[in-house]
Amino acid sequence: EAGVAQSPRYKIIEKRQSVAFWCNPISGHATLYWYQQILGQGPKLLIQFQNNGVVDDSQLPKDRFSAERLKGVDSTLKIQPAKLEDSAVYLCASSLDRVATQYFGPGTRLLVL
Amino acid sequence: AQSVTQLGSHVSVSEGALVLLRCNYSSSVPPYLFWYVQYPNQGLQLLLKYTTGATLVKGINGFEAEFKKSETSFHLTKPSAHMSDAAEYFCAVNPSGSRLTFGEGTQLTVNP
Repeated sequence: EAGVAQSPRYKIIEKRQSVAFWCNPISGHATLYWYQQILGQGPKLLIQFQNNGVVDDSQLPKDRFSAERLKGVDSTLKIQPAKLEDSAVYLCASSLDRVATQYFGPGTRLLVL
Repeated sequence: AQSVTQLGSHVSVSEGALVLLRCNYSSSVPPYLFWYVQYPNQGLQLLLKYTTGATLVKGINGFEAEFKKSETSFHLTKPSAHMSDAAEYFCAVNPSGSRLTFGEGTQLTVNP
């Protein structure tokens, strides 16, 4: 069974630029999550989708971050404009439903200069 | 609101020694509890989880954890450490399907 796929794996941008990350969850998983993991910290949930609807985006900085999950499969996370403090690893995870085990992708490492 | 505290950001053990990584949680409802491992430049991999039933949970790679409600703890153990166990370990809580909250992580070093 294929795992959660993410791209790109690494991205370096300058502050005030925009960036987008892509995630393809495990086939059949209805729930998709985006996490931000700052160096030395545990992952923090940014947004949770159930199919193509948002379940929880209470910790998403909506003035600069946006995410969508069209057709309830792939998802993109965008940052516009980026700030220095956005440097982190962005992890995508998926699960069969909201209470099932979450499976994580390898992450996208973002460096904002 | 739920929270997770991992005692000790760095733990160092000798190869063959007992591994003990501590995790305490707070939750207003019965929690689901998880341990994940993260190797360098990789995503998180599930080691084990507790939802209901038996409080001693066995996971992959010889790890196990015991849910102690009275102590609000879910410590991770392994009888004999291997060099390949060196990684960062995260405890997480998910109260009945709500948001998964992670601890700050414990970096495990295994010395030859």
